[in-house]
Amino acid sequence: GNSVTQMEGPVTLSEEAFLTINCTYTATGYPSLFWYVQYPGEGLQLLLKATKADDKGSNKGFEATYRKETTSFHLEKGSVQVSDSAVYFCALSRSQGNLIFGKGTKLSVKP
Amino acid sequence: KAGVTQTPRYLIKTRGQQVTLSCSPISGHRSVSWYQQTPGQGLQFLFEYFSETQRNKGNFPGRFSGRQFSNSRSEMNVSTLELGDSALYLCASSSDTSPRTIEAFFGQGTRLTVV
Repeated sequence: GNSVTQMEGPVTLSEEAFLTINCTYTATGYPSLFWYVQYPGEGLQLLLKATKADDKGSNKGFEATYRKETTSFHLEKGSVQVSDSAVYFCALSRSQGNLIFGKGTKLSVKP
Repeated sequence: KAGVTQTPRYLIKTRGQQVTLSCSPISGHRSVSWYQQTPGQGLQFLFEYFSETQRNKGNFPGRFSGRQFSNSRSEMNVSTLELGDSALYLCASSSDTSPRTIEAFFGQGTRLTVV
């Protein structure tokens, strides 16, 4: 079946450090891939998305590239800020209204 | 443009009771999905409604049900509550575009505690 695997956290970084959160997926066909972010006490916000192989999604300095050959969609940011502290979820979609999420990775950025 | 609104934000219920949660989608969005978020299981899909019809369903027992009204507002109901139903319940709305480009907008959730 369809599934998403994320690196386990928590991840603790110093401000301005480089961030990578690994995400791999299992799916038949060609799913769309997403990264969502959840700040404390909030719902999920879409961070970026990619709908086909080799697409690069980007937003607020975050990037992720849809790699079909490695079934991966790793999230990267060149220089994190304290305000990036949150839980990040990788997700895929193959049918209407049905997102399949990874377990989430908690990121803490220290000043 | 108002976002997705979920009410109430917090609920405390006793085992065996039932509960109804409400979700008002973004204006113009006709698809509403529900998710359960727990520390152990993470985010799990419950069901999705479009134009008052359940279009997709996750792997939850029949105690979990939902409906959608003609104005796209949705409710979910959990009957005979169990301790394990304690969770954050998230609602998401989206416009009816191709599932390949779906952009789901989430509400802040309803925190349900079963005691």
